Amino acid sequence: DAKTTQPTSMDCAEGRAANLPCNHSTISGNEYVYWYRQIHSQGPQYIIHGLKNNETNEMASLIITEDRKSSTLILPHATLRDTAVYYCIYGGTSYGKLTFGQGTILTVHP
Amino acid sequence: NAGVMQNPRHLVRRRGQEARLRCSPMKGHSHVYWYRQLPEEGLKFMVYLQKENIIDESGMPKERFSAEFPKEGPSILRIQQVVRGDSAAYFCASSPGQSNQPQHFGDGTRLSIL
Repeated sequence: DAKTTQPTSMDCAEGRAANLPCNHSTISGNEYVYWYRQIHSQGPQYIIHGLKNNETNEMASLIITEDRKSSTLILPHATLRDTAVYYCIYGGTSYGKLTFGQGTILTVHP
Repeated sequence: NAGVMQNPRHLVRRRGQEARLRCSPMKGHSHVYWYRQLPEEGLKFMVYLQKENIIDESGMPKERFSAEFPKEGPSILRIQQVVRGDSAAYFCASSPGQSNQPQHFGDGTRLSIL
């Protein structure tokens, strides 16, 4: 199973940028990095994915290191509603299972 | 989580009964995945289906659990003779099946066994 390493928990002040790191040193050359989050007991919500280049969408930015062994998810202006568990995943997600680790519990405080 | 529809949202069964969980994928998606989240644990993959085919069932318990995705209609996860340990949230995801396109999840079915 694809294995990633993330901090157990992080805090962020409302309005500030939240930077969530992820190590994926065993990723192979054609595997994408995907980020999801789960708010309370809702279903996981897709955030963003990328292969080599940095990516940005309306929710977040994804920075992938040149050697692709790690990445950082950036929420540019965190709000209280961004409090959630954030999961970093890589692998053949479209053609098979997603392997969820423990993720990072992000707490955004006023 | 707009698009992937799961029902019921909550299901209560007594031990020994059958539970049927339904999942309608997003429009245009032909691949369906089921995951289970036990209380205070992470999500675990159960099964991956395409229309009328099971592609990967490596995460399915060997007994009492089955899944289908018929040509017409929703995907069904069926649990026979439920036990207390089956109490969990069951999530369905779908994808278009094209390379690297992400899976999108429904809001889940919370199954409680009395």
